[in-house]
Amino acid sequence: EVQLGETGGGLIQPGGSMRLSCAVAGFPVSDNYMSWVRQAPGKGLEWISVILRGDTYYGDSVKGRFTISRDSSKNTVYLQMNSLKVADTAVYYCASHYCSSGSCYIDYWGRGTLVTVSS
Amino acid sequence: SYVLTQPPSVSVAPGKTATISCGGKNIGTKGVHWYQQKPGQAPVLVIHSDSDRPSGIPPRLSGSNSGNTATLTISRVEAGDEADYYCQVWDSGSGVIFGGGTKLTVL
Repeated sequence: EVQLGETGGGLIQPGGSMRLSCAVAGFPVSDNYMSWVRQAPGKGLEWISVILRGDTYYGDSVKGRFTISRDSSKNTVYLQMNSLKVADTAVYYCASHYCSSGSCYIDYWGRGTLVTVSS
Repeated sequence: SYVLTQPPSVSVAPGKTATISCGGKNIGTKGVHWYQQKPGQAPVLVIHSDSDRPSGIPPRLSGSNSGNTATLTISRVEAGDEADYYCQVWDSGSGVIFGGGTKLTVL
């Protein structure tokens, strides 16, 4: 059974750093594209980062501040978040992709972890 | 960057048909995927690759994609269909693109 479990959320002050983890069961993270998607309170889904085979991509709102990575030995994906802003407050979801014919969709989602940036 | 446009809200009576649009330039050339999200829950994939249903998704939900508009259609709407719906495409140069989401209200 596939499971994605996010940890590491909580309350952090503006300007601070936080690392989110996504432990994966059911498939090797090295074999799949993996994304982080966030949702601010009362707002829509915002994709923020994806790690491919060797490349990474970021949304404009987090580029230069967030870094996605993975540890195949722990089968875990990470999101390092630096210079956090109040606007980064959101539920952060870990997600895995299935890709076919040049298009990718999210087939599995974690339950999400809440990050609150506030003084 | 590529933009997907959805209506903020759609209302429909039980038993009727709801249509949710997703507009984008030449979206018909891309694979479009749809997610359903209920309050307090993670999104769930309901349609992938324009019109394919994952296992467990009823045939009342269907999708189409042509020209500049993709459409999610929900037939014989039930109270349990009330949720937010998001369309999504993949951009090979930049990653995942979501539409702004549509709140489906069952009257």
